[in-house]
Amino acid sequence: DQQVKQNSPSLSVQEGRISILNCDYTNSMFDYFLWYKKYPAEGPTFLISISSIKDKNEDGRFTVFLNKSAKHLSLHIVPSQPGDSAVYFCAALVSFGNEKLTFGTGTRLTIIP
Amino acid sequence: GAVVSQHPSWVICKSGTSVKIECRSLDFQATTMFWYRQFPKQSLMLMATSNEGSKATYEQGVEKDKFLINHASLTLSTLTVTSAHPEDSSFYICSAKHGPETQYFGPGTRLLVL
Repeated sequence: DQQVKQNSPSLSVQEGRISILNCDYTNSMFDYFLWYKKYPAEGPTFLISISSIKDKNEDGRFTVFLNKSAKHLSLHIVPSQPGDSAVYFCAALVSFGNEKLTFGTGTRLTIIP
Repeated sequence: GAVVSQHPSWVICKSGTSVKIECRSLDFQATTMFWYRQFPKQSLMLMATSNEGSKATYEQGVEKDKFLINHASLTLSTLTVTSAHPEDSSFYICSAKHGPETQYFGPGTRLLVL
């Protein structure tokens, strides 16, 4: 049972344009969401997070949007840069539980120069 | 951000041997560390939660006698894959909890069992 889903396994975006990565979840107990970037054979690197009490969080080129009613979140990267090419995972947790992260399946983002 | 290291970064071993992987939080103390496994082209799957000074909590389907976890100090957790077999070949990643809702990940250890 995949509680966090990223339905697009891959995405290609022109350099300078906006990259939009999507994530859906099914567990309504999740109240904190994170995005990680991962290069091959490396551990994930934290990018940005959002609490369920918010619907938007912005940090530089990265913005995460949360739609609780739709159980959907998205990561916007603008402008996209070649160094953004990586696999992006969304993750969710229950903040007052054991804080175990549940990861999505990942989306491979390729930025085309 | 906080730094988490793993050692070794890769290991090749013969079937039937045991392999120990170390996870260290270098500049902070972590009462809770997590161990994940990632198979090629798949997501990170949580194996167990490691709590300093107490027994690890294993996820459903993870054999605790095969994957021994020890969290002896606030900066070190170890995962020992006992009697490793080829199907245990994977990428093992640890993370350390640093404040609420925040985990920092190690660089991972690639295990290849021949």
